[in-house]
Amino acid sequence: AQKITQTQPGMFVQEKEAVTLDCTYDTSDPSYGLFWYKQPSSGEMIFLIYQGSYDQQNATEGRYSLNFQKARKSANLVISASQLGDSAMYFCAMREGRGSNTDKLIFGTGTRLQVFP
Amino acid sequence: GAVVSQHPSWVICKSGTSVKIECRSLDFQATTMFWYRQFPKQSLMLMATSNEGSKATYEQGVEKDKFLINHASLTLSTLTVTSAHPEDSSFYICSAPNSGSLNEQYFGPGTRLTVT
Repeated sequence: AQKITQTQPGMFVQEKEAVTLDCTYDTSDPSYGLFWYKQPSSGEMIFLIYQGSYDQQNATEGRYSLNFQKARKSANLVISASQLGDSAMYFCAMREGRGSNTDKLIFGTGTRLQVFP
Repeated sequence: GAVVSQHPSWVICKSGTSVKIECRSLDFQATTMFWYRQFPKQSLMLMATSNEGSKATYEQGVEKDKFLINHASLTLSTLTVTSAHPEDSSFYICSAPNSGSLNEQYFGPGTRLTVT
C-alpha cells in the first residue's frame, strides 16, 4: 500500500486565489511527521511546512498552512493568495517515528501546480 | 539556514565509466545523509542512507555494488555510480537532517547525470 498518496497530478489556480493540494498517508506508527516540499524547475527541494502527529494545532508558515485531519489521515497543503512564483511541483512526505537522524522520508508522487494571471 | 551543497551540478559521462557525486553539509555536521534518485516527472525515491563511520544502508532493489556510498567525514558523503549505463541517467539529490531540529531535512541542489 502507498504510504503517501497525492491524487492530484496537476492543479491550476488563478493568481491571488487560494489552492488546496491533497495528501493522504498510511501508517500504524503513532509518532510521525508530515512535510511539504516545493520543487521548482531548477530541481531544488524547498521545505515549506511541517506537522507532527502529536501537534494539537495545524501548522502555518506565512501563506502556507497544513490542514491536518488525523482521523482521516490527511495533511492537505493550503496556499493562500497564490503567486506566479508558486508554480512548481509540490511533494508531501512522511517520516515515521519520533525523529532521529536515521528516520527517512517517504515521498508522494507530487502535484504540479500552475498559477495563471 | 543550513546549507547542503552537491558537486557537480550536472555531469555527462560515457557508458561504462564511473561518476562520483559529492554531498557536503556546509555549516553543520551530519552523521547521516540520504541519497535520492528522481526520474523525470517522478517522485524522489530513497536509494540509501549514508552513515558516518559505518556502512551505508541500501533500500530494497538498489545495487550496493553499483552505487557506492562513502561517508568520509561528518560533512561529506559521496555517491559513486560505477559502470554507468544510460538507464542510470537521473537526478540525484542528497539530504541531511538538522540534528538541532529533527523536523527538518536540508536538501542539496541535486546532480543531473546523463549517461551516453
